[in-house]
Amino acid sequence: DAGITQSPRHKVTETGTPVTLRCHQTENHRYMYWYRQDPGHGLRLIHYSYGVKDTDKGEVSDGYSVSRSKTEDFLLTLESATSSQTSVYFCAISEPTTAPEAFFGQGTRLTVV
Amino acid sequence: QQPVQSPQAVILREGEDAVINCSSSKALYSVHWYRQKHGEAPVFLMILLKGGEQKGHDKISASFNEKKQQSSLYLTASQLSYSGTYFCGTNSGGYQKVTFGIGTKLQVIP
Repeated sequence: DAGITQSPRHKVTETGTPVTLRCHQTENHRYMYWYRQDPGHGLRLIHYSYGVKDTDKGEVSDGYSVSRSKTEDFLLTLESATSSQTSVYFCAISEPTTAPEAFFGQGTRLTVV
Repeated sequence: QQPVQSPQAVILREGEDAVINCSSSKALYSVHWYRQKHGEAPVFLMILLKGGEQKGHDKISASFNEKKQQSSLYLTASQLSYSGTYFCGTNSGGYQKVTFGIGTKLQVIP
């Protein structure tokens, strides 16, 4: 299995509080992604990174920010959580120069109450 | 814009075949197929590249019609282990940014 660890795996938080999710990889892959998964919407890309300090927006980036200060870590921050951000969040990594597939982490279930 | 998958759900008996379709309104460079079992992470199955190259799973095949911007995933002689939700992802330039459809839920019953 690809070395991807998401933390925390589960979190319940209150509306208006900041939340940070962490994705850690041991594969030295250049690309890292954050997706959210919701019933009826499938997997939707929030942000992705193509190198340290290099990030770009996905299709549902509003309300989210990311940072990547080291190759192995990609952080997703909800500045002020809302109930609409209740979801399962998946991190993924890929290295297109060597293989076409993305490897997904086990997911973080976030509930905003 | 998300690609459109059909059908949204299908139930098969072991040994039956299934086809899952994926279409996009954009010109495509590649189509990616993943399977997700309940409560687990999505797992890569197949990638089809513009120009015909195909890489992936040895028991599952797929096609890619570049002109129609469509792809189909073929599951033959289905097994119980094929159950899960299948996602197609599309990319309009390189591997980097993949947009996924909402998924097709496939259930194989004995």
